[in-house]
Amino acid sequence: LAKTTQPISMDSYEGQEVNITCSHNNIATNDYITWYQQFPSQGPRFIIQGYKTKVTNEVASLFIPADRKSSTLSLPRVSLSDTAVYYCLVGDRGSGNTGKLIFGQGTTLQVKP
Amino acid sequence: GAVVSQHPSWVICKSGTSVKIECRSLDFQATTMFWYRQFPKQSLMLMATSNEGSKATYEQGVEKDKFLINHASLTLSTLTVTSAHPEDSSFYICSAAEPHQPQHFGDGTRLSIL
Repeated sequence: LAKTTQPISMDSYEGQEVNITCSHNNIATNDYITWYQQFPSQGPRFIIQGYKTKVTNEVASLFIPADRKSSTLSLPRVSLSDTAVYYCLVGDRGSGNTGKLIFGQGTTLQVKP
Repeated sequence: GAVVSQHPSWVICKSGTSVKIECRSLDFQATTMFWYRQFPKQSLMLMATSNEGSKATYEQGVEKDKFLINHASLTLSTLTVTSAHPEDSSFYICSAAEPHQPQHFGDGTRLSIL
């Protein structure tokens, strides 16, 4: 499974755009890139998933360069409630063991007023 | 859509007790479910992968006789912590996935063994 590297922590202010970059140099051809958000004492919440180029949904955008060795999660206009740990994961979407995900340490985002 | 329910949300029990945790996919059929544990201030650690109707695949270092996993249907997987001891106290989280779709996680079970 491809290992991911992301900053341990980031600070931002309300209303700003936040970009969290994740490195995954050993990403495999079948791997997708998925980002999750976790609040204390809760399970991770799916944010966005992509394979290449750009993906956008109602809460975030995911930018993936052509070589797919990194990805950037973009959160527009963050609020205090976006303070959480953000995990970047890389893995196959196949059934069974091929679909397992290995969590890294994640990025703790602190949004300040 | 893609809701995963986990029950109970927290449990406190005496050492030596066995504890069962349920994980249900409420609005989709999950061919694969995963079980994780998370210690305070740490990341999630994958314990095992379970497929409906077959034996679970455990990660290295996870005792399969200690953590019994059953995935009897496409919407339900259970994790039983047998003869639990204080060191088994942790936050247990399940996830479920349809083929070729992202994993969706339950809200976790806080297990405290006295």
